[in-house]
Amino acid sequence: GDSVTQMEGPVTLSEEAFLTINCTYTATGYPSLFWYVQYPGEGLQLLLKATKADDKGSNKGFEATYRKETTSFHLEKGSVQVSDSAVYFCGLNQLANQAGTALIFGKGTTLSVSS
Amino acid sequence: GAGVSQSPSNKVTEKGKDVELRCDPISGHTALYWYRQSLGQGLEFLIYFQGNSAPDKSGLPSDRFSAERTGGSVSTLTIQRTQQEDSAVYLCASSLQRGGGETQYFGPGTRLLVL
Repeated sequence: GDSVTQMEGPVTLSEEAFLTINCTYTATGYPSLFWYVQYPGEGLQLLLKATKADDKGSNKGFEATYRKETTSFHLEKGSVQVSDSAVYFCGLNQLANQAGTALIFGKGTTLSVSS
Repeated sequence: GAGVSQSPSNKVTEKGKDVELRCDPISGHTALYWYRQSLGQGLEFLIYFQGNSAPDKSGLPSDRFSAERTGGSVSTLTIQRTQQEDSAVYLCASSLQRGGGETQYFGPGTRLLVL
C-alpha cells in the first residue's frame, strides 16, 4: 500500500541555518502531497501542498517540490527562525472515485531552532 | 469562520470503560476523517466519512472502535472497553472533498488517557 517515509529527528539548528527535511513516498497513481506542521500546544495545520508532478508548494518561506522521478517532496527553508520549532509531517492522499482519500502521514520530524 | 471543534479536549478514563469523542466539522464540509496520534506511531487514519456514502472503516484498529456521523455533520467516535494502549490524541479533520488535493482542516484533538 501507499506509504510515506520522512527523516527521523530531532533536527536541531541554529537560527538562520538552512533546513531540509527529507520525505519520500510510495504510491500508485498520482497522489497529492502535503506538509503539515504542529506547533507546540497547537493543532495540526497545513503548511503547503502540491497536487501534481513538478509543482512547488510554498508558504512562510518553506518550499517543497513534487518530484515524481525520485518520489520525493523534501521540505526546505533558507533561514529558519526560533518560531519554526515544531513537528513537521509529510503526507499524501489519493484521488479515488472523484474524491480524496484519507491522508497517509510520515512519523513526523521534530525541529528545534535555537537563537 | 469557525474551524473544526472537538470535545472534550481531555478525557481520563479507567480501563474497561466506554468513551465518546465528538467532532464538529467546518460547516459545508462533506468529508470527515478521524485520526489517532500516539507516541511512536505517528498519525494513523481511523475512519472516513464522505457525504452519504458508506464510511471507510479500514483504519479502525479493532471492533471496540466505531464511529457515526449524524445528518452529514457532527461525528462521534466511540471506544468500548477502553485499554491502556488506546491512550492517544484523537484528531478529527474535515474537507470540502472536491478532489484528492483538497486541504484537510484539523481540530485541536481530544487527549485520551486510559488508566
